[in-house]
Amino acid sequence: GNSVTQMEGPVTLSEEAFLTINCTYTATGYPSLFWYVQYPGEGLQLLLKATKADDKGSNKGFEATYRKETTSFHLEKGSVQVSDSAVYFCALTRNNAGNMLTFGGGTRLMVKP
Amino acid sequence: KAGVTQTPRYLIKTRGQQVTLSCSPISGHRSVSWYQQTPGQGLQFLFEYFSETQRNKGNFPGRFSGRQFSNSRSEMNVSTLELGDSALYLCASSLDRGDTEAFFGQGTRLTVV
Repeated sequence: GNSVTQMEGPVTLSEEAFLTINCTYTATGYPSLFWYVQYPGEGLQLLLKATKADDKGSNKGFEATYRKETTSFHLEKGSVQVSDSAVYFCALTRNNAGNMLTFGGGTRLMVKP
Repeated sequence: KAGVTQTPRYLIKTRGQQVTLSCSPISGHRSVSWYQQTPGQGLQFLFEYFSETQRNKGNFPGRFSGRQFSNSRSEMNVSTLELGDSALYLCASSLDRGDTEAFFGQGTRLTVV
């Protein structure tokens, strides 16, 4: 079956530090890959996505590249802000399989001023 | 445009009771998915409805059921509540294709006592 593994948190960084959150996946076929973010008391918001190998998704300074050879989709940001503090979820859907998302366990990011 | 609306936001029920949660998707979205979020199990897929038909189903017992109406609004029902059903239940609406963004509601926080 499909699965997503992401690094456990919490990840604690100082403002302006570089961020990497690792994500690897197992899936049959060619999944679409997503990063979602959840702020306290909120639902999930899409941060970025990539639908095929070597695609790079980017948004609000965050980037992730779909690496089929390593089955990875690591999230990076060059300079984090306090407002980036949230829980980040890596997820996939199998194309032609509806909208069933398989999520990783989530990584809590805490950014200190 | 209006986002995904889930009602109620908070609910407290007693073991053995049943509960119905409601989700109104974004206008024009025909796919509605439900997820259970708990600290221990993370985000788990319950089921997806598309055009009033269940298209995908996760690994949950038959106590968990859902339906979708002709206006795409969806309800999920949990019967014979157990303490372990305490969770945040999230609804997501999407266009048809699996590689498009899923828009999440703020969730219903269910507490079973």
